[in-house]
Amino acid sequence: AQKVTQAQTEISVVEKEDVTLDCVYETRDTTYYLFWYKQPPSGELVFLIRRNSFDEQNEISGRYSWNFQKSTSSFNFTITASQVVDSAVYFCALSGRETSGSRLTFGEGTQLTVNP
Amino acid sequence: SQTIHQWPATLVQPVGSPLSLECTVEGTSNPNLYWYRQAAGRGLQLLFYSVGIGQISSEVPQNLSASRPQDRQFILSSKKLLLSDSGFYLCAWTPGLAGKQFFGPGTRLTVL
Repeated sequence: AQKVTQAQTEISVVEKEDVTLDCVYETRDTTYYLFWYKQPPSGELVFLIRRNSFDEQNEISGRYSWNFQKSTSSFNFTITASQVVDSAVYFCALSGRETSGSRLTFGEGTQLTVNP
Repeated sequence: SQTIHQWPATLVQPVGSPLSLECTVEGTSNPNLYWYRQAAGRGLQLLFYSVGIGQISSEVPQNLSASRPQDRQFILSSKKLLLSDSGFYLCAWTPGLAGKQFFGPGTRLTVL
């Protein structure tokens, strides 16, 4: 069975602070994919990144960066110099290659609030 | 480009009434389709997914059902709604194996 744990239920920071959202996963698949989604107050999920299990290279996209550590089964997400517009619920998700239908297993999400 | 539509955007229904939510995808063919429910603003629960017309897999036993009458149409239904069916329903699609899922705007359902 697959499982994704986002231990941080809520995080509150002041604008311009850096913030890291944690994600720990469990899977028996040897090939799998990890995702991060953002859900702003409007409700629609916005795709941020997909990472496959063979690519442990960290990725940076503007103020966003992701740290994938297979040894600790973690896929953490860092926002540098946070802004009020970053306030949202962030979800980490997992899909196994052998999982039929390519369905995603989501974590419970982390509510990030960035205060001015 | 591909787009995904859901309607209605919001719905208020009495307990025991029927339900029909529709999801359609444009600009692609043979997508995998998914229905998720999000209760209390957190945690997405996969309800159903479909890899082709008429092929439905159920993840959670409940009083909901899904159908896929056309390649790019996915319908979520219920004969009799329960209070516990209230939530935010999201439809998603993916072009293939382990592809990123694209989500629709969602339907906010309140059962009174």
